[in-house]
Amino acid sequence: EAGVTQSPTHLIKTRGQQATLRCSPISGHTSVYWYQQALGLGLQFLLWYDEGEERNRGNFPPRFSGRQFPNYSSELNVNALELEDSALYLCASSHGGFWSDEQFFGPGTRLTVL
Amino acid sequence: AQSVSQHNHHVILSEAASLELGCNYSYGGTVNLFWYVQYPGQHLQLLLKYFSGDPLVKGIKGFEAEFIKSKFSFNLRKPSVQWSDTAEYFCAVSLGNNRLAFGKGNQVVVIP
Repeated sequence: EAGVTQSPTHLIKTRGQQATLRCSPISGHTSVYWYQQALGLGLQFLLWYDEGEERNRGNFPPRFSGRQFPNYSSELNVNALELEDSALYLCASSHGGFWSDEQFFGPGTRLTVL
Repeated sequence: AQSVSQHNHHVILSEAASLELGCNYSYGGTVNLFWYVQYPGQHLQLLLKYFSGDPLVKGIKGFEAEFIKSKFSFNLRKPSVQWSDTAEYFCAVSLGNNRLAFGKGNQVVVIP
């Protein structure tokens, strides 16, 4: 069974640009989560999508947004990039529901903002 | 503020030594608890989880964790570590809204 996949592996942008990160969940999973792993800050919850809807959002500004497609894959968009957005962005997937089982993580996209 | 705390961020120990990593959380109510591990160059994977029942849970690779509700703790243990246990270990708490709150991790280095 294929795991969670993310693309691209690395992304380099300059301040003010927009970044788009993509995630494909494990087959059969309807929930997709996005986390930011920044140096010194640990893993921070960003967004949760389930069945195409945004279900929950972490403490991040609105320039962090995303969507989930009918095939349950997801995109994370970061607008007006700032230097502090440089981080590893992890996507995870799980079965749906509010008390879903474990989340399975992808390898991440390393975003560097210059 | 609600949080997940992991102490002793860097741990260095020799093979065959015992390992215990502490995890404390400050959330009230029902929680699900997890320990994830990230081996060098690999992605996060689940070590073990606690949802309900026996507070002593066993995971992969000889790891176990004990949930002590009165102490809001979920400590990870392994009686005898191997070099291959070198990794970063994260405690996580799920609050029923599917968002995982992570601790800052413990970087564990096992010296052969």
